[in-house]
Amino acid sequence: GAVVSQHPSRVICKSGTSVKIECRSLDFQATTMFWYRQFPKQSLMLMATSNEGSKATYEQGVEKDKFLINHASLTLSTLTVTSAHPEDSSFYICSASTTSGGHNEQFFGPGTRLTVL
Amino acid sequence: GESVGLHLPTLSVQEGDNSIINCAYSNSASDYFIWYKQESGKGPQFIIDIRSNMDKRQGQRVTVLLNKTVKHLSLQIAATQPGDSAVYFCAEGLSGSARQLTFGSGTQLTVLP
Repeated sequence: GAVVSQHPSRVICKSGTSVKIECRSLDFQATTMFWYRQFPKQSLMLMATSNEGSKATYEQGVEKDKFLINHASLTLSTLTVTSAHPEDSSFYICSASTTSGGHNEQFFGPGTRLTVL
Repeated sequence: GESVGLHLPTLSVQEGDNSIINCAYSNSASDYFIWYKQESGKGPQFIIDIRSNMDKRQGQRVTVLLNKTVKHLSLQIAATQPGDSAVYFCAEGLSGSARQLTFGSGTQLTVLP
């Protein structure tokens, strides 16, 4: 149980284009989803917290107009990187959290490798 | 291990030996701690967690130790195997609705044959 998927797993795009990444909780309802970015040899940096049906909360320094997050259902959140540039190339990882269990375990997706040419 | 610049701390151990990976966390108010394993090109995988009302918790081949006085967390892996080679991250969090986690810098574990 508690499986999270991401699509696509890899994407290569041209500079200036927009890219959408999907995060799905396959066998549970995720009240909260998180989006992280990870550069090579570095840790996961939280970008934003997304609750179903409400606006995402972005971490300091993350541009909300550049990284659009939609959490339209309890099983799906999307991250759209708008007007992508080479510096946006990174490994994007989502996680999903459920209220069951009473503690804040997050279940992570497999990540999406974005390369902007 | 402690983070130094952009380079992950590394730990190399012989197959069959025990591994100890260390982590210093930052928020004294954190009451929930997790260790994750991340293999190359994959998302983090849950290993073991511990609450602040405990100082030790054991799983299968793994033990987590928590020292709240010095804000230190460690992960011990017994009889390390080649499949244990990965980057290990500690994460700290607060119980409550936010459920956010803050990740440590990570340690690259390499198991030598």
